[in-house]
Amino acid sequence: GAGVSQSPRYKVAKRGQDVALRCDPISGHVSLFWYQQALGQGPEFLTYFQNEAQLDKSGLPSDRFFAERPEGSVSTLKIQRTQQEDSAVYLCASSLSSSNSPLHFGNGTRLTVT
Amino acid sequence: GDSVTQMEGPVTLSEEAFLTINCTYTATGYPSLFWYVQYPGEGLQLLLKATKADDKGSNKGFEATYRKETTSFHLEKGSVQVSDSAVYFCALSVDTGGFKTIFGAGTRLFVKA
Repeated sequence: GAGVSQSPRYKVAKRGQDVALRCDPISGHVSLFWYQQALGQGPEFLTYFQNEAQLDKSGLPSDRFFAERPEGSVSTLKIQRTQQEDSAVYLCASSLSSSNSPLHFGNGTRLTVT
Repeated sequence: GDSVTQMEGPVTLSEEAFLTINCTYTATGYPSLFWYVQYPGEGLQLLLKATKADDKGSNKGFEATYRKETTSFHLEKGSVQVSDSAVYFCALSVDTGGFKTIFGAGTRLFVKA
């Protein structure tokens, strides 16, 4: 039983470049979440999917951030025209569809914008 | 809005000392409460949870009790080990049609031999 898989583990982008971060959740998990974690801080909510529907994107910091999950499984977080303040670890988590269900996290993608 | 506040670290203890990490929350609705742990070089993982008032979550010698009257979920362990050195995150989740989990800022624990 594989866990949540994220790729790449590390990404270095020049300011202004577009990046795409991939998340492969646990099979059968309906809910998928993206979080941003700055150094020394807790994860900050970005967006949430239930199957292919994006039910909450209130945490996306700007319209440069876009997430999709077209077939209700794999998800991609895209950041356009990256800025230095986008440097962080991006975490993906999946869970069964209930607020009682714990999140299962991937190891994250560390994005560095130079 | 919903939020979680936990004590700032780092917390440094000697092996076999008693641990308390305070956590309080603010939530609209009736949240489920969690403690997650991040060991060095590893991803976040669930440590324990409680889903209703007066429930006690426990795992690996750690305990936390859901206190609705004080909106708290303090983490305790009677005798810490060096291997408990990690960052601990308190979190809440509320079902409002959809749901999201809100995390505290984390508390780093160092345990010395």
